[in-house]
Amino acid sequence: SSELTQDPVVSVALGQTVRITCQGDTLRSYYASWYQQKPGQAPVLVIYDYNNRPSGIPDRFSGSKSGNTAFLTISGAQAEDEADYYCSSRDNVVTRFAIFGGGTKLTVL
Amino acid sequence: EVQLVESGGGSVQPGGSLRLSCAASGLTVSNNYMSWVRQAPGKGLEWVSIMYSGGNTYYADSVKGRFIISRDNSRNTLYLQLNSLRGEDTAVYYCARSTIFGVVIYFDNWGQGTQVTVSS
Repeated sequence: SSELTQDPVVSVALGQTVRITCQGDTLRSYYASWYQQKPGQAPVLVIYDYNNRPSGIPDRFSGSKSGNTAFLTISGAQAEDEADYYCSSRDNVVTRFAIFGGGTKLTVL
Repeated sequence: EVQLVESGGGSVQPGGSLRLSCAASGLTVSNNYMSWVRQAPGKGLEWVSIMYSGGNTYYADSVKGRFIISRDNSRNTLYLQLNSLRGEDTAVYYCARSTIFGVVIYFDNWGQGTQVTVSS
C-alpha cells in the first residue's frame, strides 16, 4: 500500500517559523490534511484541502504542496503548538480510503 | 456543537470480542460519512473503517473479515464490532466524522477515544 513519510522530530525556537513535511506518491493525486495531537488528547484537524483552516485554528497555521510533498507551516510558533502532527490523504487504492504519516513531534524551544 | 463520545473499550483475551459505541450529538450519524481510526500505544494513526451515509462500508485490510461497522439511526450511534481480536489490535479507537469528495478526505470531528487492550 501507499505511504506518507514524515520527519519524526522537529524543533523550533519560540516565535520562529517551522515547516513540517509529508512526502508520498499519493500527494500527487490527493489533497493532504493535517492533525495536531497533544498528549492524552484526540487529534484535531488543523489544515484540510492543503491550505484551509477549520474555524478556531489560528492563522499562523498554513499548508502548501510541491510535487509529492505537502507542508505544514507554523509562522511564529507558540508554546502551545508543541504537539505531534500527522498528515493524511486518500490512498491510491480506492477502498483503503485514508492513510496517515508516521507523525512529527514538534518541540518548541 | 458536535460531540462524539466513544465507549465499550476494555481488556479482552486474544480471540475475544468487543463492541465499541460512538454516540453523536450535534450531527446526524446517518447523514454523514463516519469512520473509526485507531492508535496503538506510542504509534501513529491508522484508519480502520468507514460507513457512508448511504450505508456502504469499507475496512482496512488489517481488520477486514473481523470487524464490522454499523449504526443505529434511532440512537444516532455508530458501532464497531471487534471479533477475533489479536494483540496488534490493542489501541485507542476514535470515531470521527469524515468528509470525502473527489481527491479529498479529512476527519473534522473526533471523539475522545476508547482503549482496547488485547492480552492474555
